[in-house]
Amino acid sequence: EDQVTQSPEALRLQEGESSSLNCSYTVSGLRGLFWYRQDPGKGPEFLFTLYSAGEEKEKERLKATLTKKESFLHITAPKPEDSATYLCAVQAYNQGGKLIFGQGTELSVKP
Amino acid sequence: SQTIHQWPATLVQPVGSPLSLECTVEGTSNPNLYWYRQAAGRGLQLLFYSVGIGQISSEVPQNLSASRPQDRQFILSSKKLLLSDSGFYLCAWSQGLAGGVTDTQYFGPGTRLTVL
Repeated sequence: EDQVTQSPEALRLQEGESSSLNCSYTVSGLRGLFWYRQDPGKGPEFLFTLYSAGEEKEKERLKATLTKKESFLHITAPKPEDSATYLCAVQAYNQGGKLIFGQGTELSVKP
Repeated sequence: SQTIHQWPATLVQPVGSPLSLECTVEGTSNPNLYWYRQAAGRGLQLLFYSVGIGQISSEVPQNLSASRPQDRQFILSSKKLLLSDSGFYLCAWSQGLAGGVTDTQYFGPGTRLTVL
């Protein structure tokens, strides 16, 4: 069964304190792995798509990496405006366009 | 550019009342459309998806139904709401996999439903 597990559930950082969020996945044929950011009371906002092991993508203070079993979202020198829930999702070849989501990591960055 | 709308933004309904949530997409044609529910634990549960007008696939048998009367309109309905229907409902669209490597989904602003 395809599955996505994110850790930790919640992460509290001081401004400028770099860290990483983890997304472990089990899927029969990965088409793509997606990262989204979700602010309270709003819909998820698309950040990145990763397609194959070894791939990396960056956007401002965020860098996403992918291995055959997991993905990391690295946050470098975070700011309070980076506070949000970060969602990871996978898309499998045998499931069309469906996404399987993890439970998310709630990130809080204090000034 | 593409835009996705959902309304209403918030809704408070009594148990046993009907429900109709609407989602529309602008700036694209023949999108794939999705309805998700997000409970307090933050995970997104896929409820329905549609690859074309009148084509609806249900992922979770429950008290809800979906319809797609027009190419860029997706409606989520219920005849009688249950307490367990409370949650944050999200609509999403994608362009489909035709020739593409992956199919990115883009989400609307959501509807917060409270059933009392």
